[in-house]
Amino acid sequence: EIVLTQSPGTLSLSPGERATLSCRASQSLRSGYLAWYQQKTGQSPRLLIYGASIRATGIPDRFSGSGSGTDFTLTISSLEPEDFAVYYCQQYASSRFSFGPGTKVDVK
Amino acid sequence: DVQLLESGGGLVQPGGSLRLSCAASGFTFSSFVMSWVRQSPGKGLEWVAGVSGSGGTIYYADSVRGRFTISRDNSKNILFLEMNSLRLEDTAVYYCAKGSSVLHWFGAWGQGTLVTVST
Repeated sequence: EIVLTQSPGTLSLSPGERATLSCRASQSLRSGYLAWYQQKTGQSPRLLIYGASIRATGIPDRFSGSGSGTDFTLTISSLEPEDFAVYYCQQYASSRFSFGPGTKVDVK
Repeated sequence: DVQLLESGGGLVQPGGSLRLSCAASGFTFSSFVMSWVRQSPGKGLEWVAGVSGSGGTIYYADSVRGRFTISRDNSKNILFLEMNSLRLEDTAVYYCAKGSSVLHWFGAWGQGTLVTVST
């Protein structure tokens, strides 16, 4: 089973600042099979990135994904008020798909 | 627009059973993999089970294997999750999620249905 670790657990930032979220896999993810989701309180998750770096339809270009192998990053270049939420990474490289524990981005 | 509408959640005693449904619309249902993902109150996301477009390939998380059964009816565009031998720790909001044609990244989610396992 592939275990995903996300850091930090909480990121306290101000609007306009840059956010850098990390996701590390316990095994190398073939073909960069990693996705990122945003979840706001009381809402269903929303896909941001798949294939490690491909933005989903309708996702603003301030969101970008990078990485390969075991280390991946989600970057929000300049935080908007609506970006404060919990972010999860998810691997689909193995047949036991798994999510990371999440990073909460809150207002400093 | 893609729409996924879950139903079937509710209160059940430990050891009981429940069947969840997810009615899909707005896309060619049989062409996409589907999964169930759950979220316990105040916790993170946990993938539960997934199925290929044809229904011929099925995957389960270790935590539910042998107790839960995922299936799909492509003639009616419905995804199911049959849950047996329910435990307290199965309490969660259960989401239906649409994958790609072959890969299990989830571009669309339902609103979720709450399953509460309690005495």
